[in-house]
Amino acid sequence: DTGVSQDPRHKITKRGQNVTFRCDPISEHNRLYWYRQTLGQGPEFLTYFQNEAQLEKSRLLSDRFSAERPKGSFSTLEIQRTEQGDSAMYLCASSPKPFTQETQYFGPGTRLLVL
Amino acid sequence: GIQVEQSPPDLILQEGANSTLRCNFSDSVNNLQWFHQNPWGQLINLFYIPSGTKQNGRLSATTVATERYSLLYISSSQTTDSGVYFCAAGNQFYFGTGTSLTVIP
Repeated sequence: DTGVSQDPRHKITKRGQNVTFRCDPISEHNRLYWYRQTLGQGPEFLTYFQNEAQLEKSRLLSDRFSAERPKGSFSTLEIQRTEQGDSAMYLCASSPKPFTQETQYFGPGTRLLVL
Repeated sequence: GIQVEQSPPDLILQEGANSTLRCNFSDSVNNLQWFHQNPWGQLINLFYIPSGTKQNGRLSATTVATERYSLLYISSSQTTDSGVYFCAAGNQFYFGTGTSLTVIP
């Protein structure tokens, strides 16, 4: 297993454009998380899935943001009508179903720059 | 959500020195992790430690859940230990603002 992968690694877009990021978790990991990290800050929780069900969304996730995990495997995060304030690193993590310990494994992130 | 505070915010060490990083959290939690973020931005899980003590080589961690804090110990620091250390607590793993560690040769 190669770990959590994210695509693309870098994205530059103009304000007002839509962007979509993909995350492939570790196989058989039931939970998948999205975070956003800006310079000098810790990752901020956005949302998480248990299989295909989106269980929680942060208030940070405005109506311009939408996330899906249609078959309980990979996930996509879409940002519509991007704003300069959306510039950040978007991180994805996965973890096994938490009956006992739950350990998150992070992908390398997608760095977004909105011009 | 849970508030997570880390201290100190910055730490500079001579190679070989020991250090202790602290994480305070605002509510009782069932999940707590320590991560190291390397200079390329990759987050590496160090410990899953909602309570008790764990050790892995030169690193160890202790969480006192009843008092809502966790400590990360780094012994005999090396330059490769440089980076930012985060703790994350709660079901959604709310992150603190991190401790930036620089180890000087």
